[in-house]
Amino acid sequence: QKEVEQDPGPLSVPEGAIVSLNCTYSNSAFQYFMWYRQYSRKGPELLMYTYSSGNKEDGRFTAQVDKSSKYISLFIRDSQPSDSATYLCAMSLSDSGNTPLVFGKGTRLSVIA
Amino acid sequence: NAGVTQTPKFQVLKTGQSMTLQCAQDMNHNSMYWYRQDPGMGLRLIYYSASEGTTDKGEVPNGYNVSRLNKREFSLRLESAAPSQTSVYFCAGAQTGTQETQYFGPGTRLLVL
Repeated sequence: QKEVEQDPGPLSVPEGAIVSLNCTYSNSAFQYFMWYRQYSRKGPELLMYTYSSGNKEDGRFTAQVDKSSKYISLFIRDSQPSDSATYLCAMSLSDSGNTPLVFGKGTRLSVIA
Repeated sequence: NAGVTQTPKFQVLKTGQSMTLQCAQDMNHNSMYWYRQDPGMGLRLIYYSASEGTTDKGEVPNGYNVSRLNKREFSLRLESAAPSQTSVYFCAGAQTGTQETQYFGPGTRLLVL
């Protein structure tokens, strides 16, 4: 079993829809949880991060962490065609540089105008 | 402020040839990382350097070597390229204590024939 599981999609939704992206993990020691966005032929860029259970909101994006279920989610409200990208979840044991991130495989999202 | 830069952008090699992928950052990052990204496999860590003067293996180090030349530069070397090393390679950097905020370069596309 991989440490981090993420449905690769692809996921196709109409503009304005609410999108839910999810990851599950097996290592209960993970403390930091991130979502990266990667446009085609570009490097990933950090979208959101959190280090506690609960919700964190930033504009149209909400990151949710449920440590008891080992499950994290990213919600996108009022999705736009510009949100079309691959979304990668990532997590780590600590915030120090010697405990690298573990990434999910990414979910490809298409938002259709 | 260029961020994280990688050279070359694209390279074609023949089996058995060697090459070095270059990465440089001007963001005062302590930690630097090399990943490869393959379809269906997500981002996999090859090597990382938690601080200047240190390097450690990641998930897929076989066939690669790295050098943390100074704080700014972290190179990845393929001594004898194999078709299995055809991939997109990303370099990333982060500040110690904020490693969830990794900044990625634009990537190097490598094709080994």
